[in-house]
Amino acid sequence: NAGVTQTPKFQVLKTGQSMTLQCAQDMNHEYMSWYRQDPGMGLRLIHYSVGAGITDQGEVPNGYNVSRSTTEDFPLRLLSAAPSQTSVYFCASVARGRDEQFFGPGTRLTVL
Amino acid sequence: LAKTTQPISMDSYEGQEVNITCSHNNIATNDYITWYQQFPSQGPRFIIQGYKTKVTNEVASLFIPADRKSSTLSLPRVSLSDTAVYYCLVLRGSQGNLIFGKGTKLSVKP
Repeated sequence: NAGVTQTPKFQVLKTGQSMTLQCAQDMNHEYMSWYRQDPGMGLRLIHYSVGAGITDQGEVPNGYNVSRSTTEDFPLRLLSAAPSQTSVYFCASVARGRDEQFFGPGTRLTVL
Repeated sequence: LAKTTQPISMDSYEGQEVNITCSHNNIATNDYITWYQQFPSQGPRFIIQGYKTKVTNEVASLFIPADRKSSTLSLPRVSLSDTAVYYCLVLRGSQGNLIFGKGTKLSVKP
């Protein structure tokens, strides 16, 4: 199993540009989440999903959209990038009834 | 969910035992205590989870007193590679929506 994969690893955007961060998992996990981590800080939950077609907001959802059309994929869309969205983004998944979340390697995003 | 409080940072030397305490005064009956480890430039990794008394695995031990208002993560004989941030979380049937605090940054010195 590849586990949780994220692409790209690095990305530089200009203010106002849009882009999609990709996340995929091959463990057939029902639950998937997106977090952001700013320097020296803990992770903050952006959006999460408990299954295909179901998403919900986390602590810091503004400026981000998500959709879950399949169990495997959970893309995160930045609609109009802002410098405040410069961060490292982590995707995670967990099986229903379990508490051990598996995290991807992260995407480091810089918005100029 | 119960709020957790843990030290911002700790220093240790190789070979020592390290104990990181987390307080969670408002823990509920159905809550579990879970610890994650995060190395620089990586995503967090699940270490251990417990409900009460003591849990031990190949990585760490978790001690939880009877009142469950605190817990202690114990790392035996740390090495330089244990330098990481350690997060204490209180969970009640997670649906993937974890709430992380700032964690404890452990620095292990030679």
